[in-house]
Amino acid sequence: DVKVTQSSRYLVKRTGEKVFLECVQDMDHENMFWYRQDPGLGLRLIYFSYDVKMKEKGDIPEGYSVSREKKERFSLILESASTNQTSMYLCASSLKGQETQYFGPGTRLLVL
Amino acid sequence: AQTVTQSQPEMSVQEAETVTLSCTYDTSESDYYLFWYKQPPSRQMILVIRQEAYKQQNATENRFSVNFQKAAKSFSLKISDSQLGDAAMYFCASYSGGGADGLTFGKGTHLIIQP
Repeated sequence: DVKVTQSSRYLVKRTGEKVFLECVQDMDHENMFWYRQDPGLGLRLIYFSYDVKMKEKGDIPEGYSVSREKKERFSLILESASTNQTSMYLCASSLKGQETQYFGPGTRLLVL
Repeated sequence: AQTVTQSQPEMSVQEAETVTLSCTYDTSESDYYLFWYKQPPSRQMILVIRQEAYKQQNATENRFSVNFQKAAKSFSLKISDSQLGDAAMYFCASYSGGGADGLTFGKGTHLIIQP
């Protein structure tokens, strides 16, 4: 089974802090994704990566950056957290050329 | 750009009954995929069923089946013999990115199972 793990289930940070959300997958997937989930809005794509050190902007990249130094790990970075970034963050991965994505359990981030 | 619309924010069904969740989509691509994902209260998103647009036959997975109407751009999910464990948020999603692109999600339908 594909396993996608995220470093924290719950996180509380203060406005202005730099925040790192980590995602690791154990199935050698080339593609990795970060989504944000908000009630009534569904999931929206923040960034994705199709290879090590490669990244592409999704639909809502503003205020976020990403890092992919190793194939299995994809980090989402909030350079200066703001209250409007309070949300659930979901990581996903997929094989190259495959459309089915596998999701992690999510990180619920609260920015005070 | 793709869009996915789920017009039912919440649905309720009696245990053992059948329920249908609606989804419509819009895409200019000829080759695309459609999905239903389930997100139980524990929050792990799970793939329920997928459909390739080029296949006319509706996908089925045990008690879950879809009604794919390509011309109408409709992709509904039917859950037969509903069980308490089916209670969850259900998201419809589309994909046409050639393997390295994100999914486009609807806003979700909260399914309640009445015992």
